[in-house]
Amino acid sequence: GAVVSQHPSRVICKSGTSVKIECRSLDFQATTMFWYRQFPKQSLMLMATSNEGSKATYEQGVEKDKFLINHASLTLSTLTVTSAHPEDSSFYICSARPGLNTGELFFGEGSRLTVL
Amino acid sequence: AQSVTQPDIHITVSEGASLELRCNYSYGATPYLFWYVQSPGQGLQLLLKYFSGDTLVQGIKGFEAEFKRSQSSFNLRKPSVHWSDAAEYFCAVVFTGTASKLTFGTGTRLQVTL
Repeated sequence: GAVVSQHPSRVICKSGTSVKIECRSLDFQATTMFWYRQFPKQSLMLMATSNEGSKATYEQGVEKDKFLINHASLTLSTLTVTSAHPEDSSFYICSARPGLNTGELFFGEGSRLTVL
Repeated sequence: AQSVTQPDIHITVSEGASLELRCNYSYGATPYLFWYVQSPGQGLQLLLKYFSGDTLVQGIKGFEAEFKRSQSSFNLRKPSVHWSDAAEYFCAVVFTGTASKLTFGTGTRLQVTL
């Protein structure tokens, strides 16, 4: 199947700093990528939909100024957590949709963010 | 609101026993249905999917799922569980008209005893 890679897999940062997480589709072009957040022992919550070359669409309740999403190419989307605070600590997972496929998504390995 | 329900938060089965994980979704046109598995600290791996056609779907690792329209269900089954199947299982649904947005169930944690 298609491969989606996330980097870094783990990151620890100080409160107030910004952290960037990359999501790459390695063997296909992804017109759409999705960013999810997962709290411990909970399900995945969709944060935003990232479309190549256009602004991301954020879900209700997600602060677009705190979670900056950039989808500059068909193989790369980035999530930047700005001015991170301990409550932003979480597991962030991206997924990508190949081309015009309307159903199946491929997921990255996830990135665990810990804000001290 | 569109929703996905996994009634069982935690299930424990003995190795070699059969397994069924339940999933129900809110009423609507037939959506796309998925089961994913997540090992601790890892991303999600697709086990199987249903788009249309035969309502019994075969997946990887010996898993299968059956779509029952009348019950709005997509239960995951495995005839004989292996210790390596211990993980978190998520049912996910793409509802019609939502532009491929996956709605996840709350997950079922499977524990396998030897």
